[in-house]
Amino acid sequence: GENVEQHPSTLSVQEGDSAVIKCTYSDSASNYFPWYKQELGKRPQLIIDIRSNVGEKKDQRIAVTLNKTAKHFSLHITETQPEDSAVYFCADPDLFGAGTRLTVKP
Amino acid sequence: GAGVSQSPSNKVTEKGKDVELRCDPISGHTALYWYRQRLGQGLEFLIYFQGNSAPDKSGLPSDRFSAERTGESVSTLTIQRTQQEDSAVYLCASSLTRGLGYTFGSGTRLTVV
Repeated sequence: GENVEQHPSTLSVQEGDSAVIKCTYSDSASNYFPWYKQELGKRPQLIIDIRSNVGEKKDQRIAVTLNKTAKHFSLHITETQPEDSAVYFCADPDLFGAGTRLTVKP
Repeated sequence: GAGVSQSPSNKVTEKGKDVELRCDPISGHTALYWYRQRLGQGLEFLIYFQGNSAPDKSGLPSDRFSAERTGESVSTLTIQRTQQEDSAVYLCASSLTRGLGYTFGSGTRLTVV
């Protein structure tokens, strides 16, 4: 069946460093790829998304890249801050990856 | 409404009882989704409604689970004969249409004892 794989499952970085989370998908028909951030005990919130006709999209410190040929897309967070600590989920758009727990150490 | 509203926020039920969870999507959102999130786990797709089309029920884990939605309004997720493994947070989300980002509700935390 269709699925979305996400790596790594956990990621720990120092404040100010960059973080990269990668996802692969299997449904060739997928054309919309959102990313969600879920802080502890809270609901997931959409932080950025990308459509298949675009290779990269940026919003301040976060960016998403898409390689439709290889069926993978990545989230990039630069100049990480402690408040970036959360679980991040990719999706395609209905199936979610298993999540990446990001910890930013001050 | 301003956001996706779910009720109850918490539900404790005895094994074998039926429960009904409610979701009020954002007004005008034609797409509505239910997900299950076990503690420390990812989001497990359950069911998807798009307007008046037949729902995509492919994620429902067993025939004890069912969901309804009338038009583009409220949805209810029903779990019959609850089991301990049903304990989880049940999240509802809506979007203007499929292919746009979701807005999630705050979820219903279900505990089966």
